[in-house]
Amino acid sequence: ILNVEQSPQSLHVQEGDSTNFTCSFPSSNFYALHWYRWETAKSPEALFVMTLNGDEKKKGRISATLNTKEGYSYLYIKGSQPEDSATYLCAFMKGFKTIFGAGTRLFVKA
Amino acid sequence: DAGVIQSPRHEVTEMGQEVTLRCKPISGHNSLFWYRQTMMRGLELLIYFNNNVPIDDSGMPEDRFSAKMPNASFSTLKIQPSEPRDSAVYFCASSHSGELFFGEGSRLTVL
Repeated sequence: ILNVEQSPQSLHVQEGDSTNFTCSFPSSNFYALHWYRWETAKSPEALFVMTLNGDEKKKGRISATLNTKEGYSYLYIKGSQPEDSATYLCAFMKGFKTIFGAGTRLFVKA
Repeated sequence: DAGVIQSPRHEVTEMGQEVTLRCKPISGHNSLFWYRQTMMRGLELLIYFNNNVPIDDSGMPEDRFSAKMPNASFSTLKIQPSEPRDSAVYFCASSHSGELFFGEGSRLTVL
């Protein structure tokens, strides 16, 4: 059974706060780890695809790190803005199979 | 490219009726996934195909669910007979290098 756990389940922050979420996944037979951003009434959109232990990726104010040996990834948002409000999903890829975590729901208050 | 196209966007049906959801993946993508979104389980993988061949259907909840991919540009997810607990949003996604591209989903309500 592939278990992808995300924490926290939800997070309320003020505009300007920096925040981070955790994704944990099976450390054996690692292939790739994805982060997706899912806005209400839309479809999930990929933020990062991470494959190497120690990978760090950045897109604007959002960045992510990967530790495949211990099976976790962090997503960081610097200076949160109301438009960052969304559900952030991580997905573990094993071969062709892509399993999603339940997501972290972020609410950014202006 | 228009992206992944799903139809219908919304379907309301009565218990016992057959439901067919359709998906057109992005041209050139060789993997196709069907997910179901529910409040309890989030995005749940039902089945995925690679090069039109079903690779893993272990997520399909029951025999009432079936999926086909007759060619590289079309897939269906069928529920027969449908039940109220099948009510959910069903997403199709396609991929060629790992990153998934999602359709807008089909919202199914079974009364």
